[in-house]
Amino acid sequence: EAGVAQSPRYKIIEKRQSVAFWCNPISGHATLYWYQQILGQGPKLLIQFQNNGVVDDSQLPKDRFSAERLKGVDSTLKIQPAKLEDSAVYLCASSLNRVNTEAFFGQGTRLTVV
Amino acid sequence: AQSVTQLDSQVPVFEEAPVELRCNYSSSVSVYLFWYVQYPNQGLQLLLKYLSGSTLVKGINGFEAEFNKSQTSFHLRKPSVHISDTAEYFCAVSLSGGGADGLTFGKGTHLIIQP
Repeated sequence: EAGVAQSPRYKIIEKRQSVAFWCNPISGHATLYWYQQILGQGPKLLIQFQNNGVVDDSQLPKDRFSAERLKGVDSTLKIQPAKLEDSAVYLCASSLNRVNTEAFFGQGTRLTVV
Repeated sequence: AQSVTQLDSQVPVFEEAPVELRCNYSSSVSVYLFWYVQYPNQGLQLLLKYLSGSTLVKGINGFEAEFNKSQTSFHLRKPSVHISDTAEYFCAVSLSGGGADGLTFGKGTHLIIQP
């Protein structure tokens, strides 16, 4: 079965520009997560969706980050405007549901803000 | 809130030697425990997980981990490592009592296999 797809794989932007990342979860997976992985650290949860509803966005910097999953399938994460400290790998993950199931991760989008 | 501490940022081991990667967690409520592996330029892959039951959990690629509630630890072990085990290993927890259940990760341990 196809895994979690993310695009683009790499993105370089200047500070104060905007950027968007796209994620297509595994077919049939109701739960979708976005994580931020800064170099040398473990991934940090930004936002969790259950179908098209937000379950947890407590660690999402809402003044500049936004995410949506309008039809309960694909998701987009946006940063506007970007700061230097946003340089990181953005990982998307999906799971069948929220209870006792494995989260499958995409390869991530590496963002460099210069 | 829960947290995860991985005590070693790097662990060098000779090929075919045993290895233990240490993980301690902190939480005021019950948690599920996980170990993920990340190969260069790739996403994370689940090695094993503890949800309930037997405290010794076996995973893929010959890895196993033991849940110790009194020491709040979940150390990962492999009796004989291979060069292909070189990767970053992450310990993670999630709440088991419902509600938001995203993973909280440790900072990772880089396992370096020396020939």
